[in-house]
Amino acid sequence: EDKVVQSPLSLVVHEGDTVTLNCSYEVTNFRSLLWYKQEKKAPTFLFMLTSSGIEKKSGRLSSILDKKELFSILNITATQTGDSAIYLCAVDLDGGSEKLVFGKGTKLTVNP
Amino acid sequence: DGGITQSPKYLFRKEGQNVTLSCEQNLNHDAMYWYRQDPGQGLRLIYYSQIVNDFQKGDIAEGYSVSREKKESFPLTVTSAQKNPTAFYLCASSIRFGRFYEQYFGPGTRLTVT
Repeated sequence: EDKVVQSPLSLVVHEGDTVTLNCSYEVTNFRSLLWYKQEKKAPTFLFMLTSSGIEKKSGRLSSILDKKELFSILNITATQTGDSAIYLCAVDLDGGSEKLVFGKGTKLTVNP
Repeated sequence: DGGITQSPKYLFRKEGQNVTLSCEQNLNHDAMYWYRQDPGQGLRLIYYSQIVNDFQKGDIAEGYSVSREKKESFPLTVTSAQKNPTAFYLCASSIRFGRFYEQYFGPGTRLTVT
C-alpha cells in the first residue's frame, strides 16, 4: 500500500526559529513530491520535487528530495506568525494509477 | 476573476438526509476532483473526473455520488449510506488529469451531520 508519513504531526515554535518538517514515503510508482501550505481552507502549492539533491527555494522556505532514502524535508527559516498552518506533503504517482497520496500533515504554530 | 468556488462554506444536516455540495470552476479545466479531510488527516480522494460526462471512483467513494454534466460543475452528493459524513470537503481542478502540481483548490465546505 502506498504510504506517506509526515513528522512531527505538530510543532510549536517562537518567531525567528528555524523549523524542519519531514516527509517519508513508500510508494510503487513515484513521479514527484509536492508540498502544500493549508491555512484554514484551501491548500496552496509550495513546491514540486522530482530530482534528488536539488533544492527548491522560495523566500524563507526551501525543500529538498532524497530519492534514495525516500524522504523530503521542508525548511522554514526565521519563522513568522504567518507561517502558522498545516503543511501537507503528497506524492504524485505514475504508471497507470495517477493520483496524489497525502500525508497527515504537520501542524505548525509560530508564537510571537 | 478565474477560480474555483464551493458552496456553502458550512452545512448542517440531520443523519439520514442526502446533501449535495456544489463545486464550480471558470478556469476551463478538464479535470476536477473531490477530496475529504478529517482532523489530523491528509486529503483522501473521493471521486475525480477527467473530462465532462466522465468520472471515476477514488479511494473512498462509498456513500458518495457525483455528476459531471458541464465542464464547469462537479457536484458531490453525500448520501445517507456514508457512515461518517462529518468532514471538510475540498474540490479541486487542473487543466488536465494528472497535472497535480497545477491543481487549484476551492475554499472547502465543512459538513456537519448530527
